Amino acid sequence: AQSVTQLDSHVSVSEGTPVLLRCNYSSSYSPSLFWYVQHPNKGLQLLLKYTSAATLVKGINGFEAEFKKSETSFHLTKPSAHMSDAAEYFCVVSSNFNKFYFGSGTKLNVKP
Amino acid sequence: DVKVTQSSRYLVKRTGEKVFLECVQDMDHENMFWYRQDPGLGLRLIYFSYDVKMKEKGDIPEGYSVSREKKERFSLILESASTNQTSMYLCASLPRTASPKAFFGQGTRLTVV
Repeated sequence: AQSVTQLDSHVSVSEGTPVLLRCNYSSSYSPSLFWYVQHPNKGLQLLLKYTSAATLVKGINGFEAEFKKSETSFHLTKPSAHMSDAAEYFCVVSSNFNKFYFGSGTKLNVKP
Repeated sequence: DVKVTQSSRYLVKRTGEKVFLECVQDMDHENMFWYRQDPGLGLRLIYFSYDVKMKEKGDIPEGYSVSREKKERFSLILESASTNQTSMYLCASLPRTASPKAFFGQGTRLTVV
């Protein structure tokens, strides 16, 4: 069985400060993990993906995520938030690419 | 770039109506999915298809059915729409490869009145 837990439904940061969006997963098999971003009234966009290569994954727009098997975590980080980062972020797990399981989402607010 | 096109951005239907949501992708992908997105619940998988005429139930298939007669088209059917099916519906496709990226349509916001 697979599932994803996003630990925070809302995160608020000031522009220029670090961003941390937390994600824990459970999977019976070696998982593939993804982060997607959804801006208001826009479609889902892939930020980054982990598929059993390097555990530190770099994505678009300066985002990174680290796969930690011992902690079953895949937290999303960015050193310095920008106003344009305000959006909803989804952590996703898949073990065989036939099913993608989405977390409940984290809304990121960036204050000026 | 891959395109996943959903036939409508907004739909308003009456309770009891039969509703068809269409999704077309142009990159010969084997896998296609239907999700619904509700605030605080993320995206929940309704049905998916891994080949023509093949379908599997996702986590919330009740009240829905699907059709995949051609590889590029995956239809979601609400046999008798109810108000609790008011939601945003998202279609996705991806190839059957070792490192896939899922491509999403823009979504259909369905309101059942």
